[in-house]
Amino acid sequence: DGGITQSPKYLFRKEGQNVTLSCEQNLNHDAMYWYRQDPGQGLRLIYYSQIVNDFQKGDIAEGYSVSREKKESFPLTVTSAQKNPTAFYLCASRGTTRTSGELFFGEGSRLTVL
Amino acid sequence: AQSVTQPDIHITVSEGASLELRCNYSYGATPYLFWYVQSPGQGLQLLLKYFSGDTLVQGIKGFEAEFKRSQSSFNLRKPSVHWSDAAEYFCAVGATGRRALTFGSGTRLQVQP
Repeated sequence: DGGITQSPKYLFRKEGQNVTLSCEQNLNHDAMYWYRQDPGQGLRLIYYSQIVNDFQKGDIAEGYSVSREKKESFPLTVTSAQKNPTAFYLCASRGTTRTSGELFFGEGSRLTVL
Repeated sequence: AQSVTQPDIHITVSEGASLELRCNYSYGATPYLFWYVQSPGQGLQLLLKYFSGDTLVQGIKGFEAEFKRSQSSFNLRKPSVHWSDAAEYFCAVGATGRRALTFGSGTRLQVQP
């Protein structure tokens, strides 16, 4: 079945460590996105990529980095510079035909800093 | 800049009662509008979307939403709520193409037996 796979589902990190969250899609979508979700704040955009080898900062990019070397993959690294990284992270992709403009989401990764 | 406001943080309804979740948006052109639902610890599932045409759109699980341009609103409705509808609901706005969607802060729905 086509979809988006995020891993790991749960991740614990010590302060000062970088961690990388994986996001893979087999929907053949050009565009991919990372959102952060905190209670009561909805989803906030971290980074997005409209095409391979290109990506743009979202509203809260500080302390995060991404790469887009393959169409199927859009990993997110949470660096030690991110001051409050404990959150639920959602990866999404988007079809670009006129009638399929919705985002498709993965199941999320919950990061906890110890 | 585009934005979405969901005025109700938390709503409680009785099973079998009707439901309306409010969504107001700010957008410079004709918006593409979406409603998503999220169960705890899960990703988001699309309920319905509005691109153009008929302003009343039907979605999955018996939900519908009405686009009202004059009020900049896209409220979600269901005539009879089931206990399984308890979840968090997000309204989103965006353009066509590959740019990101902007989400509201969500409304948590609780269903009483």
